[in-house]
Amino acid sequence: SAVISQKPSRDICQRGTSLTIQCQVDSQVTMMFWYRQQPGQSLTLIATANQGSEATYESGFVIDKFPISRPNLTFSTLTVSNMSPEDSSIYLCSVVEGGGTDTQYFGPGTRLTVL
Amino acid sequence: QKEVEQDPGPLSVPEGAIVSLNCTYSNSAFQYFMWYRQYSRKGPELLMYTYSSGNKEDGRFTAQVDKSSKYISLFIRDSQPSDSATYLCAMIGVANNLFFGTGTRLTVIP
Repeated sequence: SAVISQKPSRDICQRGTSLTIQCQVDSQVTMMFWYRQQPGQSLTLIATANQGSEATYESGFVIDKFPISRPNLTFSTLTVSNMSPEDSSIYLCSVVEGGGTDTQYFGPGTRLTVL
Repeated sequence: QKEVEQDPGPLSVPEGAIVSLNCTYSNSAFQYFMWYRQYSRKGPELLMYTYSSGNKEDGRFTAQVDKSSKYISLFIRDSQPSDSATYLCAMIGVANNLFFGTGTRLTVIP
């Protein structure tokens, strides 16, 4: 399976600032996703990162708040903009390798705390 | 109603016990069912992957799907302290979206 890394692994940020999270995969993958895991809640899909085009956002998530880039098949970034304490969460990227399987694999996550 | 319901626990069992973890779901279109294991401060790790109804066994783990009841289970035999983690069920919907349960926190006591 693909090996996924995320940077940073954790961060503590001030209200009103922005943080960009990077997701790097060691092989080309067909699909990349960004999830949020808030304390005590299930994982929630933020958006599908599309290579070379705008991301596809789920209901409740907008590009202005969570801009996403995917310049190639192995890399994506998620920015959490104008942060508030409610954005404190774990952010995970996941990938689907393709080749006939829909199995998703997850990165280790980025733990974000907004003060 | 949530798409996927899972008892959050926590669940504590003695070492060697059989563990049963369960999820129910509401969308009859779900076809693929997964169980993820998530250790503290780590990302979810795929444990079992099944398609449609039936059982699938992998070592000490058995995944069971009952589509008629919209009910899935994960059984862990001879549980070990290293099995202590949060277990999340997940199902694939349209457009490859994954729907997750909230996770059940399991502790296996030596």
